Amino acid sequence: NAGVTQTPKFQVLKTGQSMTLQCAQDMNHNSMYWYRQDPGMGLRLIYYSASEGTTDKGEVPNGYNVSRLNKREFSLRLESAAPSQTSVYFCASSKDDRGEEKLFFGSGTQLSVL
Amino acid sequence: GDSVTQMEGPVTLSEEAFLTINCTYTATGYPSLFWYVQYPGEGLQLLLKATKADDKGSNKGFEATYRKETTSFHLEKGSVQVSDSAVYFCALRNTGNQFYFGTGTSLTVIP
Repeated sequence: NAGVTQTPKFQVLKTGQSMTLQCAQDMNHNSMYWYRQDPGMGLRLIYYSASEGTTDKGEVPNGYNVSRLNKREFSLRLESAAPSQTSVYFCASSKDDRGEEKLFFGSGTQLSVL
Repeated sequence: GDSVTQMEGPVTLSEEAFLTINCTYTATGYPSLFWYVQYPGEGLQLLLKATKADDKGSNKGFEATYRKETTSFHLEKGSVQVSDSAVYFCALRNTGNQFYFGTGTSLTVIP
């Protein structure tokens, strides 16, 4: 059981370049999330998706777009990368059933924007 | 808006010392509360949770009690081990299924 799989694990971009972070879960979860982790800031929610075909902004959505392609996959796109987007990005999913509320995290993507 | 405030670190303890990491929250309604742990180079893993007032979550010797009157969910362990060295995050899940995290507390346990 793979859980939540993120790709790539590491990426270096130049300012203005674009890229897409991929995330897939094989646990049949309804909700999926993208977080960024920065020193002293903890995890901040970028976007989340409560179900296939729906997405909502989190705390820090500016500069990002997302796509919930199907129930399994939730991608995060940086259209024009900026140095302020240097961070570690985590994808997560949750089942949402009562008593089953917990997040499962991927192993993270370390992104540097030069 | 909803938020979580947790004790800043880093925290350094000797093996077998008592650990407390403070966490308070702000939320409307009745959130579920969590402690997650992150080991170096890994994603976060659930450590324990509590879903209603006065519930106590426990796992691996760690405990936390959901205190609605003080809006707190402090993490405790009676005797820490070197293997407990990690970053600990307090989190809440609100009624809209959104999770909010504290800034994390780094714990180092020395032999």
